[in-house]
Amino acid sequence: DIQMTQSPSSLYASVGDRVTITCRASQNIYIYLNWYQQKPGKAPNLLMYAATTLEPGAPSRFSGSESGTNFTLTITSLQPEDFATYYCQQTYGPSWTFGQGTKVEIK
Amino acid sequence: QVQLQESGPGLVKPSETLSLTCTVSGGSISTFYWSWIRQPPGEGLEWIGHFSYTGGTNYNPSLKSRVTISVDTSKNQFSLKMTSVTAADTAVYYCARRDCSGGTCYLRFWGQGTLVTVSS
Repeated sequence: DIQMTQSPSSLYASVGDRVTITCRASQNIYIYLNWYQQKPGKAPNLLMYAATTLEPGAPSRFSGSESGTNFTLTITSLQPEDFATYYCQQTYGPSWTFGQGTKVEIK
Repeated sequence: QVQLQESGPGLVKPSETLSLTCTVSGGSISTFYWSWIRQPPGEGLEWIGHFSYTGGTNYNPSLKSRVTISVDTSKNQFSLKMTSVTAADTAVYYCARRDCSGGTCYLRFWGQGTLVTVSS
């Protein structure tokens, strides 16, 4: 199985801050990496797919990057509606896995 | 717009079979792959598996021996059956549609989720 190690597990930030969340794959997954945002009591919402492609309708303050087996989700200027939990997901191969999640909380 | 809605018992006894259905509206179930994902209370997401009517099924290796996903095209529904459940299977269960673009795939459309508690 491909393991996804996401960090940090939680972070505190203020509105306007730049936030970076990292996901590391246990093997090469090329660009088969998606990011989801989940708010309490709601289903996850697709933010980014193919590592760097922003889902239509998602704010442009979200961006993704990849370097080998390391993937990053960046929020350039955190907004009040961005406080949520973020998950990466690898879709390389027949069995998919999610990272453990990163909870972004208000400082 | 595609919409998905999970349904099924909210309480299942240990050792019994969990059965859930996902009803799809706004699109045909005969195309695409259809997925189940779960989330134990306060924990992260776990992919269970996905199924296509045209062939092709993949399951999480850790659940494969207990899980079956199937599709009923006449009702535009797909279902999840999980046998021999324990308290560890208590979770919110989501259904979702797998979409693909440029060779990569993702879960764009999700149901709202349904909580299943395993308890006697």
